[in-house]
Amino acid sequence: DAGVTQSPTHLIKTRGQQVTLRCSPKSGHDTVSWYQQALGQGPQFIFQYYEEEERQRGNFPDRFSGHQFPNYSSELNVNALLLGDSALYLCASSLVMAERDGYTFGSGTRLTVV
Amino acid sequence: GEDVEQSLFLSVREGDSSVINCTYTDSSSTYLYWYKQEPGAGLQLLTYIFSNMDMKQDQRLTVLLNKKDKHLSLRIADTQTGDSAIYFCAEVKGISGGSYIPTFGRGTSLIVHP
Repeated sequence: DAGVTQSPTHLIKTRGQQVTLRCSPKSGHDTVSWYQQALGQGPQFIFQYYEEEERQRGNFPDRFSGHQFPNYSSELNVNALLLGDSALYLCASSLVMAERDGYTFGSGTRLTVV
Repeated sequence: GEDVEQSLFLSVREGDSSVINCTYTDSSSTYLYWYKQEPGAGLQLLTYIFSNMDMKQDQRLTVLLNKKDKHLSLRIADTQTGDSAIYFCAEVKGISGGSYIPTFGRGTSLIVHP
């Protein structure tokens, strides 16, 4: 059973560009959350998608947007990239009302903005 | 405080016990998690504890919860070199309509010496 898969694994972009990161959730999961993990920091919640809608959002600017597709996969888009957006972006999937199972994380996409 | 707090580093000798501590923010938090992150990987759920429990044991892992002090600890018995990783504490402050969002600390880097 495949877990959470993310693509690409690494990405280098230039300031001002736009980027799209992709995530396929664990089989059977219906909710996808995105986190940003800067070097030496814990993951910071960006937003969560359920039933193709943004359900909750963390303290991130509108440059960060996302989408969830009918097959539960998800994309994270970041516009007008800043140097400070360089981080590991983690996708996590979960099942609604299954708190004791926690989140299943992918290995992340390492984004470097130069 | 407003953040989940953890000490940043812990160094132990192989075979000893490790105790990783965490202070969380919300006395009404329902679920508390411990995650493990190995280099270049995503986060792996180790264990959880529900807020009506004081202790939970799972093989080499023991979780203690002190709700009065909002203190959580993870004890790893017979620590092995393969336990070297970053350990994250996370709390769920509330569950709304089945949506739960773990908030993470900065992580404790556990180094196990042979």
